[in-house]
Amino acid sequence: AQSVTQPDIHITVSEGASLELRCNYSYGATPYLFWYVQSPGQGLQLLLKYFSGDTLVQGIKGFEAEFKRSQSSFNLRKPSVHWSDAAEYFCAVGGALTEKLTFGTGTRLTIIP
Amino acid sequence: ETGVTQSPTHLIKTRGQQVTLRCSSQSGHNTVSWYQQALGQGPQFIFQYYREEENGRGNFPPRFSGLQFPNYSSELNVNALELDDSALYLCASSLWSNGELFFGEGSRLTVL
Repeated sequence: AQSVTQPDIHITVSEGASLELRCNYSYGATPYLFWYVQSPGQGLQLLLKYFSGDTLVQGIKGFEAEFKRSQSSFNLRKPSVHWSDAAEYFCAVGGALTEKLTFGTGTRLTIIP
Repeated sequence: ETGVTQSPTHLIKTRGQQVTLRCSSQSGHNTVSWYQQALGQGPQFIFQYYREEENGRGNFPPRFSGLQFPNYSSELNVNALELDDSALYLCASSLWSNGELFFGEGSRLTVL
């Protein structure tokens, strides 16, 4: 069965500082990996996705993520956070383009001035 | 381009009642997926519809059912509501060949 672990429930970062959100997955074959962001009371917005190829993927809003097969990880990074980045971040894994996604429990990001 | 729209945005029901949630797909999309997001949790897959047929289902009982219409819009029906059904219900549309999900803002259901 596929699963996603986001070990950090809540992270607080100063504005302008760098950010890394951790994601570990379990999947029996080559995974399709995603990061979504959810602002309070909103739906999910796709930040970036990994299907194949280059293991470092670029997304919207200055985010990037690196797929490391040996560590079963897909960590999200941003070199300098902005106050508007405060939100809930979800990592998800799927087995194919049309299959269901399994989400982690999310990491809540708080930005302090 | 119109995004995914869901209705109603909020609703309150009592235990044992039935509820219908509606979703209009993003223009050009032919696949709809439904997810349940309990408070403080990640979304959980309920089911997916493609060509008006259910194509994959998560670990949800039969009292959760759905429909997809010829215009690719969709409904989620939940019968015999239980307190644990209180959650944000998210609809996502996609192209079958692409798979990238576009989510609506959700319908927040409270069961008393």
